[in-house]
Amino acid sequence: AQSVTQPDIHITVSEGASLELRCNYSYGATPYLFWYVQSPGQGLQLLLKYFSGDTLVQGIKGFEAEFKRSQSSFNLRKPSVHWSDAAEYFCAVGTSYGKLTFGQGTILTVHP
Amino acid sequence: GAVVSQHPSRVICKSGTSVKIECRSLDFQATTMFWYRQFPKQSLMLMATSNEGSKATYEQGVEKDKFLINHASLTLSTLTVTSAHPEDSSFYICSARLAGGPDGELFFGEGSRLTVL
Repeated sequence: AQSVTQPDIHITVSEGASLELRCNYSYGATPYLFWYVQSPGQGLQLLLKYFSGDTLVQGIKGFEAEFKRSQSSFNLRKPSVHWSDAAEYFCAVGTSYGKLTFGQGTILTVHP
Repeated sequence: GAVVSQHPSRVICKSGTSVKIECRSLDFQATTMFWYRQFPKQSLMLMATSNEGSKATYEQGVEKDKFLINHASLTLSTLTVTSAHPEDSSFYICSARLAGGPDGELFFGEGSRLTVL
């Protein structure tokens, strides 16, 4: 069965600092990997996705993620965090069909 | 971009009543929609997969008689929580797969917060 682990429940960074959110997955086949962001009481917005090809994926809002098969990881990064990035971030693994398994989420707090 | 609309965004009901939540793809056709629930401070858990014109496929542990899903058209799926109880209070989110779209092309609704008193 597929699973996703986000080891960090809560991360706090200062505005302008770099960010890395960790994601490890377990999947029997070639994974389809996603990162979503959720603001309080809102739905999900797709930041980026990886299906195949270049293992470094660029997304919206300046985010990127790197797929490392050997480590079963798909960490999300941003070189300089903005206060508006404060939200909850979910990593997900799934099929091309669209059935997703989500990680527990990481809450990002940004200090001015 | 493609938009998925959920209605209502918030609903409060009395215990024992039924509540219907709609998920609409506004500007595209969705042969498949997915329903998730999210408890406070927890992740999203897939409840069921809804295919247009056929019965929904429920995940293990999800009561199909309690959570009725209907996908009557290519743009609408509904989730009815029957005989709701306080433990059904949750945030329900749907996602829709773009028919004929690229693999994994999903769009999420804004969610519907159900509170059962």
